[in-house]
Amino acid sequence: AQRVTQPEKLLSVFKGAPVELKCNYSYSGSPELFWYVQYSRQRLQLLLRHISRESIKGFTADLNKGETSFHLKKPFAQEEDSAMYYCALRSAGRRALTFGSGTRLQVQP
Amino acid sequence: DVKVTQSSRYLVKRTGEKVFLECVQDMDHENMFWYRQDPGLGLRLIYFSYDVKMKEKGDIPEGYSVSREKKERFSLILESASTNQTSMYLCASYKGQGANTEAFFGQGTRLTVV
Repeated sequence: AQRVTQPEKLLSVFKGAPVELKCNYSYSGSPELFWYVQYSRQRLQLLLRHISRESIKGFTADLNKGETSFHLKKPFAQEEDSAMYYCALRSAGRRALTFGSGTRLQVQP
Repeated sequence: DVKVTQSSRYLVKRTGEKVFLECVQDMDHENMFWYRQDPGLGLRLIYFSYDVKMKEKGDIPEGYSVSREKKERFSLILESASTNQTSMYLCASYKGQGANTEAFFGQGTRLTVV
């Protein structure tokens, strides 16, 4: 069975500080990994996907198969980054996304 | 712009009632999903469908059923609502398969069962 673990319920940082939201997964095959974000009073939306190796809003995430991790990083946090972040996995043969429990990021001024 | 629309933002129902939650998407997506979102538990998959009249159980299907009679509409049914089904329900859809696919979510339905 596949599983996604986000160990931190809440991460609070000051504006300008680096941010790392942790995500670990368990899956024996090659996973597809994503980060989704939910800003206050908005719907859940895709932030980035591992296959694209992109940087979105200054966020990056690298898939580390050895450590089975997909941590989300940003060098300098902004107040508008405050939101709920979910790591998600999709496996071959299962079309549905499996989500972690989420991490709330609070960026203080 | 992809739209996934859930019929209600807020619902209050009584224990034992049959409850219908509706979701409609306008981008011809084959795959549609129902999740419930609870604090500390994240999103948990209830049911999903990858084609009309096709459905598969997710991780927490007990107490729920679904219907997909048309490609654009996916309904979640609570056969006999109970207080432990009080939650935020999210519908999602996406097209095709592959690591580049993006799931689009509805705005959510907050259901309270009293």
